[in-house]
Amino acid sequence: SAVISQKPSRDICQRGTSLTIQCQVDSQVTMMFWYRQQPGQSLTLIATANQGSEATYESGFVIDKFPISRPNLTFSTLTVSNMSPEDSSIYLCSVEGDTYNEQFFGPGTRLTVL
Amino acid sequence: GQQLNQSPQSMFIQEGEDVSMNCTSSSIFNTWLWYKQEPGEGPVLLIALYKAGELTSNGRLTAQFGITRKDSFLNISASIPSDVGIYFCAGQWATDSWGKLQFGAGTQVVVTP
Repeated sequence: SAVISQKPSRDICQRGTSLTIQCQVDSQVTMMFWYRQQPGQSLTLIATANQGSEATYESGFVIDKFPISRPNLTFSTLTVSNMSPEDSSIYLCSVEGDTYNEQFFGPGTRLTVL
Repeated sequence: GQQLNQSPQSMFIQEGEDVSMNCTSSSIFNTWLWYKQEPGEGPVLLIALYKAGELTSNGRLTAQFGITRKDSFLNISASIPSDVGIYFCAGQWATDSWGKLQFGAGTQVVVTP
């Protein structure tokens, strides 16, 4: 499976600011995904990031709040904009595997908003 | 709306015991995946299931794709301390687009020596 890294691994931010999270993969992948995991909760898909096109957002998530970039087949960023304490979560990127519907996850970015 | 239920929520077991957890969906899944997440880490894929009735093992782990395509279980045999973590089922509803996974609420496993 691909090796996936995320930066930063954790951050503490002030209300009203924005944070950009990076996801780097060691091989080219077509599909990359961004998830949110609120404290003590399960994973919720935010959006699918495809190279060369706009990200596809799930219900409840909008581009103005979570803009995503996908400049090439090994890299993506997720920005959490105008943060509030409710945005405190773990943000995870994942990539498709070789087999249908398999996804492999990065280590996550732990965000705390004060 | 469509629902995915995972049970039990948590399990406290002694080392050496077997563990069983399951997930049920209100709609047909075309894929079932089982992940384990340890503190401070991202989820790690344990087993992937693609066909109704499929039974797959990975070491001490065994998982099955229910024949109705609406349920799956994961068994861990002879548990050891490193089995501690949160286990998530995940899958794709047949009506959803490729790559859109739904995750269960998770089963927290605690193993005592």
